[in-house]
Amino acid sequence: EVQLLESGGNLVQPGGSLRLSCAASGFSISVYAMTWVRQPPGKGLEWVSDINGGDDSTNYAESVRGRFTMSRDTSKNTLDLQMNSLRAEDTAVYYCVKGLDFGRWGGWGYWGRGTLVTVAS
Amino acid sequence: QAALTQPSSLSAPPGASASLTCTLRSGISVASYRIYWYQQKPGSPPLFLLRYKSDSDYLKGSGVPSRFSASKDYSANAGILLISGLQSEDEADYYCMTWDTSAWVFGGGTKVTVL
Repeated sequence: EVQLLESGGNLVQPGGSLRLSCAASGFSISVYAMTWVRQPPGKGLEWVSDINGGDDSTNYAESVRGRFTMSRDTSKNTLDLQMNSLRAEDTAVYYCVKGLDFGRWGGWGYWGRGTLVTVAS
Repeated sequence: QAALTQPSSLSAPPGASASLTCTLRSGISVASYRIYWYQQKPGSPPLFLLRYKSDSDYLKGSGVPSRFSASKDYSANAGILLISGLQSEDEADYYCMTWDTSAWVFGGGTKVTVL
């Protein structure tokens, strides 16, 4: 059974940093494309970043490029999102999502339950 | 111009059919794109429903009821999610998604109310 468990969400001040983690089980994250999608409270979905299956090529939304870094630890079967220079507009629930296929072009299937990041002073 | 536009809300009685639209921005043709559909209920993460480009490029999520289907309206440049025989449990927000230029983009979502 596929499971994704996000952690690391917290209250952080503007300009601060936070590292989110997503523990995967039931499949190998080294094989599948993975993505992070966020949802501000009461609002819609926004794609943040993805990493391709089979290689470590990454893509980032323009709103986070240069501030966020996505990576995976295949030994732990975890996905990480390092978030620096956080802004109030980064406040959201962050979801870890498994790809439908090995490559990112297959799109996104199974979602974790999310972790809340709040950026405020 | 947003890449994907969805009506903000839709209401229909139980047993009716609901057609949710996802209109692509001008300059990109729905014929060339896979459209993804997700359902989100309050307090829960989104659930993958369908991926549709054509009848030969079609994927339904595991356990998704047969009353959910997808198609395209090429004249309107839109993806369509059809829910046949609406049930109270179908009350939710529905989001479409596609890849545009260099990013995955979501529509703003349609809130479906079953009256």
